[in-house]
This record gives sequence, structure tokens and C-alpha cells, in this order.
Amino acid sequence: GAGVSQSPRYKVAKRGQDVALRCDPISGHVSLFWYQQALGQGPEFLTYFQNEAQLDKSGLPSDRFFAERPEGSVSTLKIQRTQQEDSAVYLCASSSTGLWVETQYFGPGTRLLVL
Amino acid sequence: DAKTTQPPSMDCAEGRAANLPCNHSTISGNEYVYWYRQIHSQGPQYIIHGLKNNETNEMASLIITEDRKSSTLILPHATLRDTAVYYCIVRGYGSSNTGKLIFGQGTTLQVKP
Repeated sequence: GAGVSQSPRYKVAKRGQDVALRCDPISGHVSLFWYQQALGQGPEFLTYFQNEAQLDKSGLPSDRFFAERPEGSVSTLKIQRTQQEDSAVYLCASSSTGLWVETQYFGPGTRLLVL
Repeated sequence: DAKTTQPPSMDCAEGRAANLPCNHSTISGNEYVYWYRQIHSQGPQYIIHGLKNNETNEMASLIITEDRKSSTLILPHATLRDTAVYYCIVRGYGSSNTGKLIFGQGTTLQVKP
């Protein structure tokens, strides 16, 4: 079946521009996570949704980062007024239930380059 | 969640077993050991997890020491496609735990022909 998909796969933005990154989780999956991966580093947690509820946004680095999942399926991560330090791969993952122990399935990521 | 320590890199000959170690000396009784890997330019992929017993699936085996302070991921017959960064993650339930994964630096495994 279809896995987690993300779009666009690559995004180049000028400093100060707003960007929107999309995640399509596996159909029916309750939980959705966003991670940020800087070059040469492991992924770092950004935020977590259970259905449409954003239950944890402790990893968002600043108020320029905003995520939503209005209908409990597709999610969008928005970065306002992008800065060079926002350059990273943004990964989305989903899991089938809200149980913490569930396996997370990752998408291929969106590589964001801010010039 | 307990911290893990992994060697930064390892090499393995194609067709041989790859044994990737992980130290997690502060693991608590209700914490699991998870392994994910990340092939270049892809998202992380789940491999296996365990609590205290050894586990095996179609991808790998996980050996956890009796005191649970360390574990080893075994890829029995490594292929070139197993070249990746391997992450050992300790994961447990906590009052503020939403299931997020805490990745370290991982081990870069290079499988050589």
C-alpha cells in the first residue's frame, strides 16, 4: 500500500520567504509527527498530532514555525520568514494509533534550502 | 528516555554478519530498545525493537544483555543495500511522552564488496 508521502521533495527559498511543506500520512493513521534533520545530524522532533489535535509542539524552534492538521489526515508545516538556519530536511512520520509504542513510518522528507 | 551511545562508524564485508553495538546503561525497566536505519536521502526505516528478550524478524536480530544495559543489532548477511546510518533509540512511556523518537548520531555502516 501507499506509504507516507511528502511534497515538495525539494524547496529553495529566499531568506524571508514563507514556505509550506505538505505531509500525506498513511491512510487511517491517527498519529502524525514532524521532525527536522540538519545536515549530518539525526532527526529532531518538532511536533505531534493525534488526529486533528496538536498534542505536543515542544520541539518547534520558534514562533515562525506552525503546523496544522485540520481534518486529521494531511498535515502542513509552515515556516514564516525563513532564515538560513532553517535549511534542513523536514521529515514526516505517521503511526496507526495514538499509542506511544507504535512503529512510526517515515516519508522521504522535504529538503529545504534557504538562500 | 535513556541516552544511547553508538560507535560513529563501522565497516562490514558484503555477505558477512554486521554486528552493531549500542550502550544504554541508564535504561529503566519499562523502556524498550528500538532500531531504525536511514539510507541516504530517504526517511528512517523501522528495523526491530525489544524489551528484554532477544528478537528476530526478517530484517535483523536484536540481542539485549541480561542487565539490559547494552544491545547488539545483527544483520546476518549484509548486502551493499544495508549501507546506512543505524540509530539505536531507547523509548519508554512517560507522563509527557507522546511517542516521539529521540535520535542520536547513530552508526554509519559501510558495507564493502
